[in-house]
Amino acid sequence: QKEVEQNSGPLSVPEGAIASLNCTYSDRGSQSFFWYRQYSGKSPELIMFIYSNGDKEDGRFTAQLNKASQYVSLLIRDSQPSDSATYLCAVSFDRGSTLGRLYFGRGTQLTVWP
Amino acid sequence: DTEVTQTPKHLVMGMTNKKSLKCEQHMGHRAMYWYKQKAKKPPELMFVYSYEKLSINESVPSRFSPECPNSSLLNLHLHALQPEDSALYLCASSQDKGAGGYTFGSGTRLTVV
Repeated sequence: QKEVEQNSGPLSVPEGAIASLNCTYSDRGSQSFFWYRQYSGKSPELIMFIYSNGDKEDGRFTAQLNKASQYVSLLIRDSQPSDSATYLCAVSFDRGSTLGRLYFGRGTQLTVWP
Repeated sequence: DTEVTQTPKHLVMGMTNKKSLKCEQHMGHRAMYWYKQKAKKPPELMFVYSYEKLSINESVPSRFSPECPNSSLLNLHLHALQPEDSALYLCASSQDKGAGGYTFGSGTRLTVV
């Protein structure tokens, strides 16, 4: 069973703060990890992906992966009200019958208040 | 072109109607997907096409019929739907085996009356 768990929130942070979003996964065979942002009524938008242990930074976003702990996180620095959205963690397996299928967590709703 | 285009954006259909959702991408991606998303839920996989062949059907009812006419196009044919099928239908594409993640289209908001 390939499970992806996220705290559904809501997570509320003030503007300018660091928002920390967490995700755990059950299958050690997981290969690739993705964070999607979804505004209400819109489709998911890929904001970060990470394959290797450690940190990956892109602008205000940092993804952190710890395969030993089966844990992936997303940090948003200098949070802005426009970051208010649902953040979906997704995991994929690059072999066999799973064929690039993404397994999604339930999402964490983030609110950044001015 | 880095987009996945879905049409229509909104669709209202009766339970006896037949309609089709369309999806197009020109990124050279060889895997295409249909997902269904209900409010406040994550996307649920319906179908996966890889190199224009259906590779995954997540036990979707036969009232949903996918079609991949060529490597750039993906259709979802709808017939005799139920009100509970009302949802946001998302098309996505990716490089082989999902490398680099999916690119989602903007979705079709379907309402069955």
